[in-house]
Amino acid sequence: DQQVKQNSPSLSVQEGRISILNCDYTNSMFDYFLWYKKYPAEGPTFLISISSIKDKNEDGRFTVFLNKSAKHLSLHIVPSQPGDSAVYFCAAGPLGANNLFFGTGTRLTVIP
Amino acid sequence: EAQVTQNPRYLITVTGKKLTVTCSQNMNHEYMSWYRQDPGLGLRQIYYSMNVEVTDKGDVPEGYKVSRKEKRNFPLILESPSPNQTSLYFCASSLQGSYGYTFGSGTRLTVV
Repeated sequence: DQQVKQNSPSLSVQEGRISILNCDYTNSMFDYFLWYKKYPAEGPTFLISISSIKDKNEDGRFTVFLNKSAKHLSLHIVPSQPGDSAVYFCAAGPLGANNLFFGTGTRLTVIP
Repeated sequence: EAQVTQNPRYLITVTGKKLTVTCSQNMNHEYMSWYRQDPGLGLRQIYYSMNVEVTDKGDVPEGYKVSRKEKRNFPLILESPSPNQTSLYFCASSLQGSYGYTFGSGTRLTVV
């Protein structure tokens, strides 16, 4: 049973607009959340993370929002750029745990 | 350059023929892990290692073995591969537990 779910397999956005990628989790023990970005023929690369003591973390064009009561997090990319086109994986787990649980990924296409 | 190196990148083999996928990291990370990526299932952990000679099962360990004789290397061994092990495999390492993994570029394995 998927403990981390990304219900949108794909998303297309115009260049310059906002991209919003969503992720839901089921395990209330999860308190550390990450987003990874993956280009074809490469491994996932770490993008941004957030711990459960915060509800927002920002890094340049990327912001992650966490809603603990809804067990939901989202990644906002503003403004979106063609180079952002990739598959984005949401991951979650207990802080410092030995396992991260990954979602199935969302393929983002930014249209020039 | 800090990296995780996996070999081979592509491998086609026959059912039952033992194979090893190598993984090496040059960041002096204590923690290493193997994941497989399958359509609709995301990334699932196979095995992890918290340090030399310390390994443990992840979520999908059946049919796999690992060893950690040196800090930098963490090979994945398939003693008798079967077609259901056809997948994209990623090795990852980090300083501690599940924080900010660095992933290798992946090994696409096909078992016929």
